[in-house]
Amino acid sequence: EAQVTQNPRYLITVTGKKLTVTCSQNMNHEYMSWYRQDPGLGLRQIYYSMNVEVTDKGDVPEGYKVSRKEKRNFPLILESPSPNQTSLYFCASAGPNQPQHFGDGTRLSIL
Amino acid sequence: QKEVEQNSGPLSVPEGAIASLNCTYSDRGSQSFFWYRQYSGKSPELIMFIYSNGDKEDGRFTAQLNKASQYVSLLIRDSQPSDSATYLCAVRVNSGYALNFGKGTSLLVTP
Repeated sequence: EAQVTQNPRYLITVTGKKLTVTCSQNMNHEYMSWYRQDPGLGLRQIYYSMNVEVTDKGDVPEGYKVSRKEKRNFPLILESPSPNQTSLYFCASAGPNQPQHFGDGTRLSIL
Repeated sequence: QKEVEQNSGPLSVPEGAIASLNCTYSDRGSQSFFWYRQYSGKSPELIMFIYSNGDKEDGRFTAQLNKASQYVSLLIRDSQPSDSATYLCAVRVNSGYALNFGKGTSLLVTP
């Protein structure tokens, strides 16, 4: 089954404790992206990757890092999380000229 | 700034009626248009895409595109309570991967 898998689905943590949200896709897609979604603000792109070792900032990259060492994986790293990063996060992937497919989401709460 | 605008709603329609959701976009170079449905706390799910002017029908859903007027709409016939969700309009400017999302319209179908 074609899918985008995110882990964890839920996480409550504390300020400053490094965390990683993993994203994996099994569709051999070149493009992967991270979004955060907050009430009233819609989906905002954090980072995206056009292929292995190619990443670029989206609209709200501050406080986040990503890497793309393998085509299927695109982890999101929060090295020093802060409460303003409490949000619902989505990973998505796409092939050329194809719609983006979204993972099930990760709800992060940073206390 | 590439803008994609949607009324936030909520749009309330009675069961069995036609729901009409609208989206306008600012970039005349936009090429591809997508409608995603998102239930509360869940991930966006692609329901329709359209590339050419005119109408595209899929079951109870019809997407309409007017590039001259820069709007795209989604009609849902015979609306059901299970259609109650937020509908996101997404626009792709160039061939490739990136999408610009509207903030979504909340639809409520009342029994």
